[in-house]
Amino acid sequence: SQQGEEDPQALSIQEGENATMNCSYKTSINNLQWYRQNSGRGLVHLILIRSNEREKHSGRLRVTLDTSKKSSSLLITASRAADTASYFCATDQITGTGTALIFGKGTTLSVSS
Amino acid sequence: KAGVTQTPRYLIKTRGQQVTLSCSPISGHRSVSWYQQTPGQGLQFLFEYFSETQRNKGNFPGRFSGRQFSNSRSEMNVSTLELGDSALYLCASSSGQGYNSPLHFGNGTRLTVT
Repeated sequence: SQQGEEDPQALSIQEGENATMNCSYKTSINNLQWYRQNSGRGLVHLILIRSNEREKHSGRLRVTLDTSKKSSSLLITASRAADTASYFCATDQITGTGTALIFGKGTTLSVSS
Repeated sequence: KAGVTQTPRYLIKTRGQQVTLSCSPISGHRSVSWYQQTPGQGLQFLFEYFSETQRNKGNFPGRFSGRQFSNSRSEMNVSTLELGDSALYLCASSSGQGYNSPLHFGNGTRLTVT
């Protein structure tokens, strides 16, 4: 079952613009992670933010977490064509036999030059 | 450090056959997780292994199984293949528990069932 849901499903912007993707989830979490996937390849970890943190930065990436609204956002500043990829949020969720990292369906970002 | 290695990169199998996929984690990582990715269902959690023990299993039929060896390398097996098993199978390793640490993914095995 899906825990996180990204919004929008697809986003098209020009190089130099900022891109904002949102993630909402349903149950309480210990941490939330963001990943990037280039077409047909494995996922690359971007940022992990714990439930007691509100904001984290990594280079041009900024992630916020609002546990009261059960939502997170990923901001990519000054986008480049190389940022074109799918972006996924993932949260820890209790599954049938334990806890696992469960991914949303992702936001497809297209950055044109 | 070498990244996560998955073999083979591509596989074509026929319905009813079985298949084994292999994953070598990053050196020192003891947790290995497997995911199935399809356009319709997205990324679905299959199972996680830690120190040769299955720590968690997703909602997949018993045709899907896995194991982990003492060197942390992992294999997953799918028996009696169905057309719906066509997917990208991703393996990921982590230094801690699979849900509480960054996952390092391989580039996957693309399985096509005809």
